[in-house]
Amino acid sequence: AQTVTQSQPEMSVQEAETVTLSCTYDTSENNYYLFWYKQPPSRQMILVIRQEAYKQQNATENRFSVNFQKAAKSFSLKISDSQLGDTAMYFCAFMKHGGQGNLIFGKGTKLSVKP
Amino acid sequence: DTGVSQDPRHKITKRGQNVTFRCDPISEHNRLYWYRQTLGQGPEFLTYFQNEAQLEKSRLLSDRFSAERPKGSFSTLEIQRTEQGDSAMYLCASSLDGGGTDTQYFGPGTRLTVL
Repeated sequence: AQTVTQSQPEMSVQEAETVTLSCTYDTSENNYYLFWYKQPPSRQMILVIRQEAYKQQNATENRFSVNFQKAAKSFSLKISDSQLGDTAMYFCAFMKHGGQGNLIFGKGTKLSVKP
Repeated sequence: DTGVSQDPRHKITKRGQNVTFRCDPISEHNRLYWYRQTLGQGPEFLTYFQNEAQLEKSRLLSDRFSAERPKGSFSTLEIQRTEQGDSAMYLCASSLDGGGTDTQYFGPGTRLTVL
């Protein structure tokens, strides 16, 4: 069975600075997807970034980038130039390729961006 | 293109009552997922549909839970004889299988409180 671990329950960062959220996972699969989702307070979950395991190049989306280390089973999220609107719960998630497609989530990291 | 919608957004019920939630996926999406999220946790997979067929159910989905997706469009999740432990946020997500992406898009959720 796959598991996803987010070891930082809470983090804070000053506006305009950079922060990195950690995620590790355990799987015996070789092909899979990894995701970071953002859940702002009282708002719906939205996709931040995704990574296909077969791609060596780290995914980037504007201020968001990942450090994907397949051998170490690590998938961290870096947020550059943090903005107040980045305040949210961030969930790391795993999905097996070719399966039924259900996501396996970590417990989340609560990020607070301070002015 | 409208996103995933869920109704109602909030439901308060007394223990022992039945409740039903509705999810309308993104129109062309053929996969639909239900997740449950309790306070301080990441979402946990409950069940999923490929078109109208329910293909997988988690062990979390007790006999009191039933889900349908008639005609492969909207879906309903019913909980019979609710218990206080059913209090949670129920999230629906949809995706397009075979479209080159397995990204799931989430609705705003239905928050259930069982008194």
